[in-house]
Amino acid sequence: AQSVTQPDIHITVSEGASLELRCNYSYGATPYLFWYVQSPGQGLQLLLKYFSGDTLVQGIKGFEAEFKRSQSSFNLRKPSVHWSDAAEYFCAVVSDYKLSFGAGTTVTVRA
Amino acid sequence: EPEVTQTPSHQVTQMGQEVILRCVPISNHLYFYWYRQILGQKVEFLVSFYNNEISEKSEIFDDQFSVERPDGSNFTLKIRSTKLEDSAMYFCASSEAEYEQYFGPGTRLTVT
Repeated sequence: AQSVTQPDIHITVSEGASLELRCNYSYGATPYLFWYVQSPGQGLQLLLKYFSGDTLVQGIKGFEAEFKRSQSSFNLRKPSVHWSDAAEYFCAVVSDYKLSFGAGTTVTVRA
Repeated sequence: EPEVTQTPSHQVTQMGQEVILRCVPISNHLYFYWYRQILGQKVEFLVSFYNNEISEKSEIFDDQFSVERPDGSNFTLKIRSTKLEDSAMYFCASSEAEYEQYFGPGTRLTVT
């Protein structure tokens, strides 16, 4: 069955520093991959997606992610973090009409 | 920008009571979903709905759960007899095609 793993439960980063969140997937065919962000008390907002084509995808809020088939990874990056990026981030893969989410990574931004 | 809306934002109910959670998907979307997130746990798929029928459901979605699209705009999740373990955040989502799902803000259900 398809699944994603987010190895990091919690990451703390300084404002202005770069951020990288890891995601590994397990899927037989070419996966359709997503990153969502959940701010406290809010719903899930789609940051970006990968279906096919260019392996570096750009999303909203200055985020990007790179699909690496050889490493079964889809890591999310942001060059310079803002305090408003403090949130929980979920990687997900879709199959058979449903999204399977990772456990999430909580990002704390320190001043 | 069109968005998925959900009502109520918070529902408190007693164990054994029926609850209906409501969602208004994005208007041109054809696929509808419910997910839930128990506090501190992963977001879990419950059910998907297309062409007025369930297309996929998880093992969580037992006979206590049902979904309905009663008119052209609403999509509801009914829990027939709530249990304490049904306390969670319930998210509705919709998509134009099968893959890119847009989520509502969620309904926090508290069963006492």
